[in-house]
Amino acid sequence: DTAVSQTPKYLVTQMGNDKSIKCEQNLGHDTMYWYKQDSKKFLKIMFSYNNKELIINETVPNRFSPKSPDKAHLNLHINSLELGDSAVYFCASSLLTPYTGELFFGEGSRLTVL
Amino acid sequence: KNQVEQSPQSLIILEGKNCTLQCNYTVSPFSNLRWYKQDTGRGPVSLTIMTFSENTKSNGRYTATLDADTKQSSLHITASQLSDSASYICVVSARGYQKVTFGIGTKLQVIP
Repeated sequence: DTAVSQTPKYLVTQMGNDKSIKCEQNLGHDTMYWYKQDSKKFLKIMFSYNNKELIINETVPNRFSPKSPDKAHLNLHINSLELGDSAVYFCASSLLTPYTGELFFGEGSRLTVL
Repeated sequence: KNQVEQSPQSLIILEGKNCTLQCNYTVSPFSNLRWYKQDTGRGPVSLTIMTFSENTKSNGRYTATLDADTKQSSLHITASQLSDSASYICVVSARGYQKVTFGIGTKLQVIP
């Protein structure tokens, strides 16, 4: 039983296209996140939602728009894709806010923009 | 500025040998420190958590230490196995902040 699942696992697309990545957690956690892992393997927070409300919004281009229809789902939509968007995107969840809670990560979605 | 630095960046060891990974941080006020293991192509998984009052904690062949005075942590792996090949990421939380601070990780390769 997958705790945090995200789809698709791989995504190859052309510059300028719009794409979405979906994430679902069945752990009953209140907080969900999107992280970006670049080619240097550094994990960087993009967004965080707590009970469907946005609580962290890092300096991310507004081409990236998260949506949380309920506390078990957090989707990421990306408009007008650019080459620099190529990375692995990880969804994560935690029972509490990060400074107390363990982060549970999905398997990642590898986005390649050509 | 909150920062987490890890060393070495990469490490190759023979199967069966021990190794120690280092993490130095400037995060303040300190809440806790976690070590995550990230296998290639997978998401990170928490190995252990260290709070302010804890000096040592073990999880099987993994032993984490914390020196809150010098703001240093280490992860010691005993009798390494091929399955230990992964990136090990140090993550530090500050009290009262929503975000955690990630290190860039140490890439460990265990060879036969």
